Amino acid sequence: DAKTTQPPSMDCAEGRAANLPCNHSTISGNEYVYWYRQIHSQGPQYIIHGLKNNETNEMASLIITEDRKSSTLILPHATLRDTAVYYCIAYSRQLTFGSGTQLTVLP
Amino acid sequence: DTEVTQTPKHLVMGMTNKKSLKCEQHMGHRAMYWYKQKAKKPPELMFVYSYEKLSINESVPSRFSPECPNSSLLNLHLHALQPEDSALYLCASSLDRDSYGYTFGSGTRLTVV
Repeated sequence: DAKTTQPPSMDCAEGRAANLPCNHSTISGNEYVYWYRQIHSQGPQYIIHGLKNNETNEMASLIITEDRKSSTLILPHATLRDTAVYYCIAYSRQLTFGSGTQLTVLP
Repeated sequence: DTEVTQTPKHLVMGMTNKKSLKCEQHMGHRAMYWYKQKAKKPPELMFVYSYEKLSINESVPSRFSPECPNSSLLNLHLHALQPEDSALYLCASSLDRDSYGYTFGSGTRLTVV
């Protein structure tokens, strides 16, 4: 699985969009980009995934660059409950977690 | 039922004890996983079961012994653990090995004294 690089921490004001970047410059053509989050002391929660196209669901949007070397997870209206560690994963056959980004949503 | 249930939620055990962690799902998933997570670190994959057969063992010490008695149940047997084995143990499942969207349980917080 390709290595991903994320900033260790980010802050976001409540109600604003949270944009979480991820670099995956060595991603191969068959590896999907997955995003999970882990709220303190809970199990990781699936958010969204994509291969080439941008994706949107009820939780978030995923923007993947055309060269697939980076992506951005967008939480459109962050709430305090979105405070969590967000993991970006280049997935082929198993889920291998990197260090993630601690997102803190501030009131 | 869309959950992975792990029991117990908390466990304290001595270094000479034998204990087991249990994980159960009723979603018809045929792949199940054990992860270990130390404080402030990401989860690390330990074992993968596919159709009740062990398919990946990530060089885990033999004091951790997984068991998959049926397609809904995954156990992790613990024996002669060390204090450094204290961690959150997470179970997950997916439809099969090639499916996305793992569902995780809330974990068992293990303390070895």
